[in-house]
Amino acid sequence: DGGITQSPKYLFRKEGQNVTLSCEQNLNHDAMYWYRQDPGQGLRLIYYSQIVNDFQKGDIAEGYSVSREKKESFPLTVTSAQKNPTAFYLCASTPGQGLTISGNTIYFGEGSWLTVV
Amino acid sequence: AQSVTQLDSQVPVFEEAPVELRCNYSSSVSVYLFWYVQYPNQGLQLLLKYLSGSTLVKGINGFEAEFNKSQTSFHLRKPSVHISDTAEYFCAVSVVWRDDKIIFGKGTRLHILP
Repeated sequence: DGGITQSPKYLFRKEGQNVTLSCEQNLNHDAMYWYRQDPGQGLRLIYYSQIVNDFQKGDIAEGYSVSREKKESFPLTVTSAQKNPTAFYLCASTPGQGLTISGNTIYFGEGSWLTVV
Repeated sequence: AQSVTQLDSQVPVFEEAPVELRCNYSSSVSVYLFWYVQYPNQGLQLLLKYLSGSTLVKGINGFEAEFNKSQTSFHLRKPSVHISDTAEYFCAVSVVWRDDKIIFGKGTRLHILP
């Protein structure tokens, strides 16, 4: 079955550490997204990428970094500069032509919980 | 700028009763509208979306929503809820032919009471 795989499901980070969340999709989608979810805050966009080797900052990119070297992969690194990283992180993707051109559906992974210890 | 407001953060409903989850949006240009559902500890999945045409949109699991342009609303309804509908529901909007982003509301948690 096609889908989006996020790993790990649970991750603990020590103060000052960088950690990387993996996101892989086998849907052949062009666009990929990272969202952060905090209780009562809804989803906030961290980064998105519409094609390989290109990505744009979202609304809360500070303290995060991404890469898009392959169409199917969009890893997110939470750096030590992110002062409050404890949250639920969601990776998502959409087919070609993006959201706003054709109203495409966003497909989400199962999410990753990151906790600072 | 566009925005989405979900008027209720939590909605308790008895099983088999009807429910309406309210969503209002703000935009000066054409938009697409979506409702997504998130079951506990999972990602989101699409319930339904409005792109154009009929203002009454039917989705999965017996849900439907009505687009009301004059009131800038897109309320979600179900005539009879089941315990399995316990989840968080997100309204979202994207602007037609604009930068490729979607704006989510803060969510409404639906509690089904036995």
